[in-house]
Amino acid sequence: EPEVTQTPSHQVTQMGQEVILRCVPISNHLYFYWYRQILGQKVEFLVSFYNNEISEKSEIFDDQFSVERPDGSNFTLKIRSTKLEDSAMYFCASSADQSTEAFFGQGTRLTVV
Amino acid sequence: AQSVTQPDIHITVSEGASLELRCNYSYGATPYLFWYVQSPGQGLQLLLKYFSGDTLVQGIKGFEAEFKRSQSSFNLRKPSVHWSDAAEYFCAVGSFNTDKLIFGTGTRLQVFP
Repeated sequence: EPEVTQTPSHQVTQMGQEVILRCVPISNHLYFYWYRQILGQKVEFLVSFYNNEISEKSEIFDDQFSVERPDGSNFTLKIRSTKLEDSAMYFCASSADQSTEAFFGQGTRLTVV
Repeated sequence: AQSVTQPDIHITVSEGASLELRCNYSYGATPYLFWYVQSPGQGLQLLLKYFSGDTLVQGIKGFEAEFKRSQSSFNLRKPSVHWSDAAEYFCAVGSFNTDKLIFGTGTRLQVFP
C-alpha cells in the first residue's frame, strides 16, 4: 500500500540552527501538506503546496519556514533559525486532490535544545 | 470561528464493550469530516471520512461514524472494542474551499482486558 514517508524520524538541533525535514509523498498525489503537533496540543496546519507553489498557509508559517519540492519526489520543510518553541512532531501529508482525504506520514520529532 | 471539539479527553472501556467517541464542529461551509487514529509513536491513520451522501459511513477496523448536521456532530462508534484499538483518536474537519484540516484535541482510548 502506498504511503507517505518522512525522514528523519527524530532530529535534535541547537537553537538558531537550520533544519530540513524531508518527506516523500504518495507518487500520484498532487497536494502536499505540513502539519505540526506540539506535545500535548492539537495537530495544526502549517502549509499546503500545489503545482510548485504554496496554496495556503497558516499564521504559524512565518518567514522562518519555507517549503520546496526540489526534485519531483521529495517535499521538504525548512526552518531557517530554530527556536525552542519549534520543538514538535511534524507531519507531512499528501492527497490526490483538494477534495480527497490526506494521507499522513509517521512524523519527524524535532527537538530544539 | 471554525473549530472542532472532542469533549472527552480520556475514555476507558473494557475489551468487547461498545464505544462512542464524540466530535462536534463549528464550521461555516459544508464540512468534510474525518476521523484519524494515532497509535503511540505512530503517524495519523485515516479511519473514515464523510464528504457527502449517506450520513452513516463505514471505515476500517470495524469503525463507523454518523454525520448529524442538525447537531453539528460526527461521532465515532465501534460495537466491540479490541485491545489493539487503544490509541488516540482525532476528529478533523475540512471543506471544498480550503486545503486546511482543523483537528480536535483528541480522545485517548484505553482498553482494559
